[in-house]
Parts: sequence; structure tokens; C-alpha cells
Amino acid sequence: TQLLEQSPQFLSIQEGENLTVYCNSSSVFSSLQWYRQEPGEGPVLLVTVVTGGEVKKLKRLTFQFGDARKDSSLHITAAQPGDTGLYLCAGAGRGSTLGRLYFGRGTQLTVWP
Amino acid sequence: DAGVIQSPRHEVTEMGQEVTLRCKPISGHNSLFWYRQTMMRGLELLIYFNNNVPIDDSGMPEDRFSAKMPNASFSTLKIQPSEPRDSAVYFCASSSRLGARSEAFFGQGTRLTVV
Repeated sequence: TQLLEQSPQFLSIQEGENLTVYCNSSSVFSSLQWYRQEPGEGPVLLVTVVTGGEVKKLKRLTFQFGDARKDSSLHITAAQPGDTGLYLCAGAGRGSTLGRLYFGRGTQLTVWP
Repeated sequence: DAGVIQSPRHEVTEMGQEVTLRCKPISGHNSLFWYRQTMMRGLELLIYFNNNVPIDDSGMPEDRFSAKMPNASFSTLKIQPSEPRDSAVYFCASSSRLGARSEAFFGQGTRLTVV
């Protein structure tokens, strides 16, 4: 059973389009992290959101943490080929699971020039 | 900073053989994680250490898997005997702290193929 569900699993778009990917769970996390992974490499952290309702912007990327701290979304404006990669969300455990990161399966994004 | 260093990058072995994967975390980081990534199951946490002590090994699939961290700068993940279903990319990650704002720094991974 996957603790974090990401959708869509695959996304193929043209350069310049906007997109949103989602990360949903029935569990509450102390924080939600988004990573990007390129072929042959390990995931690299993009952002951490901690407070319910928090919104963070990283250039053309906007991250939002749900009010109940169970879900998150990533919106990319005017996507570019360099945005291509596997986007992973990860929930940080609390209490007895402090230190654990629970990863979703990811959204594979391809941006065509 | 060299980042998290894993070796080997690729490993092809025959079923039944012992496989040892190695990891050098970022200097000063006191938490180390071993993950396995497959298409079917995504990234799964196998085990993690804090200050060289195993904290949670509930993700280790079975007794064929073992992990050690003899000191702060080195860890191994061993599979004995290996099976074809162990084929996956194994990642090591390190972090300077545990908690909501901890960031995991990943190595480049070891792609294991068991034939």
C-alpha cells in the first residue's frame, strides 16, 4: 500500500504549457518535500513545506501544502524542456516515525520543445 | 563537497552470489538512509541509521539483507544470497538531522542486476 499517491503518473506536454501535479494521502505529515530526479541520478530536493496552507515559489514552480497537511500540489508555469524529470513527493514522519520519509511513486514529466 | 558517494555504480551478478553495496555519506551528516527504487514500488526505505545506530530496519525485505555502519563515514548494504527479484537501483542518502525540515542528499545509486 502506497502512503502517498501521486497523479498523474505520466505527463507529456509542449514547451510553454502550464501543468499541475498532485500528491495525496490520508495521513498527516510533519512536512512535505518535493524532489526531482533525472535519469541515472538520485533525487534532489526542490522544496520543503511545513505549515498547513503554506505556499512556496521557486521561479516558475509553485508548491502548496494542504490545510490539513495531508496533500500537496506542484504547479509549473510555462514549462521548459529542462523541467523534464521524475517529480517525487515525500512526507516526513512524526513521533515514532520521525526521520522517515515516505515517497510517492512520482510523476514522470516530459516537456517537448 | 563531494556529496554522497556510492559504489559500485553498476553491479551484475548471478543468483546466489553475495552482493555488497557501499556508501560514504556527506561529512558531518549523522543520519544515513538506504533506499531501493523499482518501477513497480517506487522508492522504498530499507533501513536508516542515526549516529551509526540502526533506528528503523522494518523496510528490510528479509534476512538475506543486512546493513552496517561501522563508523560515521561508511556504510554497507549486503545481500546474501542474491535473487533476481532484488534487481533494482539502490540509493544511499544522508542528512544532517532528523525532523520536519531535514533534507536528504542522495547518492547516484547502484544499479543491481541479478541474473
